[in-house]
Order: sequence, then structure tokens, then C-alpha cells
Amino acid sequence: KAGVTQTPRYLIKTRGQQVTLSCSPISGHRSVSWYQQTPGQGLQFLFEYFSETQRNKGNFPGRFSGRQFSNSRSEMNVSTLELGDSALYLCASSPGTLGEKLFFGSGTQLSVL
Amino acid sequence: QQQVKQSPQSLIVQKGGISIINCAYENTAFDYFPWYQQFPGKGPALLIAIRPDVSEKKEGRFTISFNKSAKQFSLHIMDSQPGDSATYFCAAFKKGGSQGNLIFGKGTKLSVKP
Repeated sequence: KAGVTQTPRYLIKTRGQQVTLSCSPISGHRSVSWYQQTPGQGLQFLFEYFSETQRNKGNFPGRFSGRQFSNSRSEMNVSTLELGDSALYLCASSPGTLGEKLFFGSGTQLSVL
Repeated sequence: QQQVKQSPQSLIVQKGGISIINCAYENTAFDYFPWYQQFPGKGPALLIAIRPDVSEKKEGRFTISFNKSAKQFSLHIMDSQPGDSATYFCAAFKKGGSQGNLIFGKGTKLSVKP
């Protein structure tokens, strides 16, 4: 089976712009989670989708949003980018319904200038 | 509020030695404790996991020890190899609720010297 695929791999944006990141989960996985990884804060949970519904949400401002499509593919959007949004954004998919076993993609490295 | 505390932040071990990484959690509702391994440029990969009804789990050179009463768990890497050099994250999972699925520790950067 192919792993979790994230695109693009690298992204450079300027403050105030918006960005959309894409994630294709492992075939058959219906749960998709997003995490932000920074050297200072580590891995922080953004949100999780299951069958097109947001099931859980972390403590991030409303500028961070996401959605999941009927084929389980997911996108996350960050509007009005800030310098502090520079991070590695990781998508993970999970088999089953609990979402406890995560299979991560290689991430999208976002740099905000 | 950091729900999963991991130590040390970095660790240097000689080849063949034992690497030990510790984690402590606060919420007794956590019921699944995985460890993830991350190499540079890659996403974290599930290494080994344990549930609180078991005190120890071993897979090859990797062992999780779990102390439910102390709310602590640790990863032991026996016969550490240079290829084990990576960042290791402990995590805890709580069913339901709105806090999110997996809560991660801040990571331990392991370097195994040849």
C-alpha cells in the first residue's frame, strides 16, 4: 500500500497570504489528522477528520481550517499567514475508528517570510 | 499545560549501549501509549506501543516499561546502533473528548556514537 502523501513538500509564502496543503491518506483509512511540528513546541494537534466530519480540534486560531472529502483526502488551509506559522505540517491517517494509530506523511515544510 | 512530559531532551549513547527515554503523564484517562521514531526529513513512524493493562512490551531491541501507579513509561533501546540515531517521541491517547487524539511529548534526540 502507498503511504500517506502530502503535497507540496516545501512552500514559501509571505505574511498575509493564505495557503492550502493537501493530504492523501493510506487507502482504506478514514481518519485523517493534522499536526504542526516546530522545534520549540514539538508536535501539536490541529484537527482530525473522520468520514468528512471534524471530530476533534486542537487549540489553534480560526485561521487554521481543514476539510475532508468523500475519498478521505484532506486539505488544511491557513489564512492570513503569520511568521509564527512557519513549521512542518504533518498529516497522518489511521485505520479503524478510534484514530489511535497514526501513520504520518513526510510533511509540508512551510516558511513564512 | 503539558500533559506528557518527556526526558531527556537529548541523549548520546555509545554503540552497543542501552538508551533510556522516560515519559510521565497526568491524565489517568489515557489508555494507549505509543512511541514514534522520526528521522530527519521524514514524518514520525510508529515504533512500539503499550496499553496500561500491561507492564512491559518487547519488540526486538525495543522495550516499553509501564508503571501505571506512577503514571510513567519508558523506552529502552538495547544494543543501540548508529542507525537508531533519530528523534523519539512518546505519546498518549485518550478516547473521545475534545482535546484531540494523540498528545505527544516534546521529543528526545538520540545520537548513537560508533
